[in-house]
Amino acid sequence: QKEVEQDPGPLSVPEGAIVSLNCTYSNSAFQYFMWYRQYSRKGPELLMYTYSSGNKEDGRFTAQVDKSSKYISLFIRDSQPSDSATYLCASLKTSYDKVIFGPGTSLSVIP
Amino acid sequence: DSGVTQTPKHLITATGQRVTLRCSPRSGDLSVYWYQQSLDQGLQFLIQYYNGEERAKGNILERFSAQQFPDLHSELNLSSLELGDSALYFCASSTRTPSGANVLTFGAGSRLTVL
Repeated sequence: QKEVEQDPGPLSVPEGAIVSLNCTYSNSAFQYFMWYRQYSRKGPELLMYTYSSGNKEDGRFTAQVDKSSKYISLFIRDSQPSDSATYLCASLKTSYDKVIFGPGTSLSVIP
Repeated sequence: DSGVTQTPKHLITATGQRVTLRCSPRSGDLSVYWYQQSLDQGLQFLIQYYNGEERAKGNILERFSAQQFPDLHSELNLSSLELGDSALYFCASSTRTPSGANVLTFGAGSRLTVL
């Protein structure tokens, strides 16, 4: 079993839709959770990070972590064509630990 | 520009050959991570260095080796190359946020094609 799992998609939505991207993880020791966005095989860039359970909002993006169910979510409101990318969730146990990535979900936002 | 510099951007070589990929971390970052990304495997962690010392090792093949130099740049050496080594190789450096999160900043990657 991989430590971090994601549905690879592809996910296709119309412009303006609310997008929900999800991950599950297996290691209950994970404390830090992140979402990275990767455009067309370029370097991933950090979108958001959270520590432990809870929600965090940044503009159109909301990250949610439920440690009891080992579930990580990213919500994108008012999705734009520029949001079309692969979204990678990532987790680590401690701040000095290696970062474990999920396989990524490919998102297309259709104008 | 993320501040993490990787060279070369593209590399085409033959099976059995050896290549070296280079990474310069962001100014002030002491950690360097190497990841391999192939189409069917996602981002696979290879190895992490912190201030010149190996900190963690992932599924790095014995044919691969890495090091971090005193000026903090890092090199990933890939030898006896096989077709399956064709992939994007990313380097990242890390910064700790006030909450303690270890945030990675990635370079643009080195695309290796083995023919």
